[in-house]
Amino acid sequence: KAGVTQTPRYLIKTRGQQVTLSCSPISGHRSVSWYQQTPGQGLQFLFEYFSETQRNKGNFPGRFSGRQFSNSRSEMNVSTLELGDSALYLCASSLGEGARGTEAFFGQGTRLTVV
Amino acid sequence: AQTVTQSQPEMSVQEAETVTLSCTYDTSENNYYLFWYKQPPSRQMILVIRQEAYKQQNATENRFSVNFQKAAKSFSLKISDSQLGDTAMYFCAFMISNYQLIWGAGTKLIIKP
Repeated sequence: KAGVTQTPRYLIKTRGQQVTLSCSPISGHRSVSWYQQTPGQGLQFLFEYFSETQRNKGNFPGRFSGRQFSNSRSEMNVSTLELGDSALYLCASSLGEGARGTEAFFGQGTRLTVV
Repeated sequence: AQTVTQSQPEMSVQEAETVTLSCTYDTSENNYYLFWYKQPPSRQMILVIRQEAYKQQNATENRFSVNFQKAAKSFSLKISDSQLGDTAMYFCAFMISNYQLIWGAGTKLIIKP
């Protein structure tokens, strides 16, 4: 069974640009969550999608957005990039329902560097 | 506020020793799930062990076990017969009904040969 796939693995962008990250969940998983990991703030929740609907959103500015497609693949977009957006972005997939739905499986992350 | 506290930023033990990582959390919810994840240098977050708060029995997975004290809101991880491959960052986390993981700051565990 294939794991969670995140693309690209590495990305370098300039301040002010926008970026789109992609996440393909494990087959059969309907929930995709996104987390930002930085040395200073640790792991912070961005948002969670289930069956194409955003169920939950973390405390991030509106420059951070996401969506989920009918095949459960998800993208997150960051517009008007700032230096502080440099981070490892982790995607997690899960069944999304019931007790088993709490088990989250992570991709290897996308390392975004803003210069 | 929902928080997770890992009081040990770094720990170091000899191979084959037993090590315990501490974690305390705070939530007003009664139904939640607790997790320990490891993140090796490859960056991929890997689930180590999972505990459902309504279950009194402590979870075990091979060399990994937890000591779950619900009243004290404590969830420590014990690694027995530690191996070099256990070297990683270990994160304690919990999830309530909104499917959002709340994370601790992590403990860097180094297993020395």
